[in-house]
Amino acid sequence: EPEVTQTPSHQVTQMGQEVILRCVPISNHLYFYWYRQILGQKVEFLVSFYNNEISEKSEIFDDQFSVERPDGSNFTLKIRSTKLEDSAMYFCASSGGLLSNEQFFGPGTRLTVL
Amino acid sequence: AQSVTQLDSHVSVSEGTPVLLRCNYSSSYSPSLFWYVQHPNKGLQLLLKYTSAATLVKGINGFEAEFKKSETSFHLTKPSAHMSDAAEYFCVVSETDSWGKLQFGAGTQVVVTP
Repeated sequence: EPEVTQTPSHQVTQMGQEVILRCVPISNHLYFYWYRQILGQKVEFLVSFYNNEISEKSEIFDDQFSVERPDGSNFTLKIRSTKLEDSAMYFCASSGGLLSNEQFFGPGTRLTVL
Repeated sequence: AQSVTQLDSHVSVSEGTPVLLRCNYSSSYSPSLFWYVQHPNKGLQLLLKYTSAATLVKGINGFEAEFKKSETSFHLTKPSAHMSDAAEYFCVVSETDSWGKLQFGAGTQVVVTP
């Protein structure tokens, strides 16, 4: 069964460093998403991506964040200069279409900023 | 604006007894509603979804949920709990005017005792 994969499973970085979280969505999907979950808090939407551009983003997704689909298979989330409050579990998701189509989630990357 | 409230942060049930996880939503438009489950160290898995068809929705692993517009509720039930049902469950809403953005509830941790 096809699945969304994410690497690494755990990333530790120093405050101010850049990190790139990687995701491989399901191959025939067209819509891609990043969510995050700070420990003890709700899963929060960050950004959606379609046709090589951002279709929607949340207030959390400020200029420090960017997304890219560099090669047609990977989907990356970059944080330019990490802050302590960026520590969270980051989930990638993909879907074949909008609305009622299921979003398939990856297992997540736990980011720890020291 | 849309929001989701899960009324119980923790539910403990005995194996073989019914499970009820409560969810209320608010939405400005016709929502799509979902229940996702997360087992430890795993990604989020879709249990079931409501997208304006039948109000009683059947999902995987014996779960079902009923959409009640008058009560703005989408409670999840299972007649007989199994040990493997121990996990965290998220009620999720998506509005028709968004690019598939999912809004998560805070989650309900389910413990199943022998």
